[in-house]
Amino acid sequence: EVQLMQSGAEMKKPGESLRISCKGSGYTFTTHWIGWVRQMPGKGLECIGIIFPGDSDIRYSPSFQGQVTISADDSTDTVYLQWNSLKASDTAIYYCARHRMQYNDDSSFDTWGQGTLVTVSS
Amino acid sequence: EIVMTQSPATLSVSPGESVTLSCRASQTIYSNLAWYQQKPGQAPRLLISGASIRATGIPARFSGFGSGTEFTLTISSLQSEDFAVYYCQQYNDWPRGFGPGTKVDIK
Repeated sequence: EVQLMQSGAEMKKPGESLRISCKGSGYTFTTHWIGWVRQMPGKGLECIGIIFPGDSDIRYSPSFQGQVTISADDSTDTVYLQWNSLKASDTAIYYCARHRMQYNDDSSFDTWGQGTLVTVSS
Repeated sequence: EIVMTQSPATLSVSPGESVTLSCRASQTIYSNLAWYQQKPGQAPRLLISGASIRATGIPARFSGFGSGTEFTLTISSLQSEDFAVYYCQQYNDWPRGFGPGTKVDIK
């Protein structure tokens, strides 16, 4: 069974750094793009960016470029989303999701992680 | 950047009824459109990709139609488990964009 398992909820203060993770299993990790999607409280879905773990090719949505860093470690089948300096406006649920098609960067997301709640508050 | 819109924002429906949700892209996305269902406290679930292809395990009462800029998702004979928020997403162009969602709730 294809699964994405995300790290647990985080509570941080403004200005702190954070890295959350998403571990894939049940498929060949290096053959599918994985994306990160933000959902702010009571709001809709926003695509942050996608990464191809096979070669760490990354695409960022313009709204998130420079605000976060996406990375992957194919030795542990894990992708990461990182902030260097959190803001209160980063409070949201963050989902990782796998592209349905192998190798294809134009694809829907067929498998989603359970979400990681990030709360940033002083 | 391609902007996705959805209508209506909310739909109140009785179980057993059928509903059609609309999604529009600001420019052509061919058939590169997906529909997702999200229930409270859960991650989104893929229903439809390629505008009309049901994902694995999705019941036949969900059907997608359209190409270019106009798309619809029809749910025939709504079941209790279908009350949720539905999002469309284009994957033709970068950045990927989701619509704002349509909430289907119980009348």
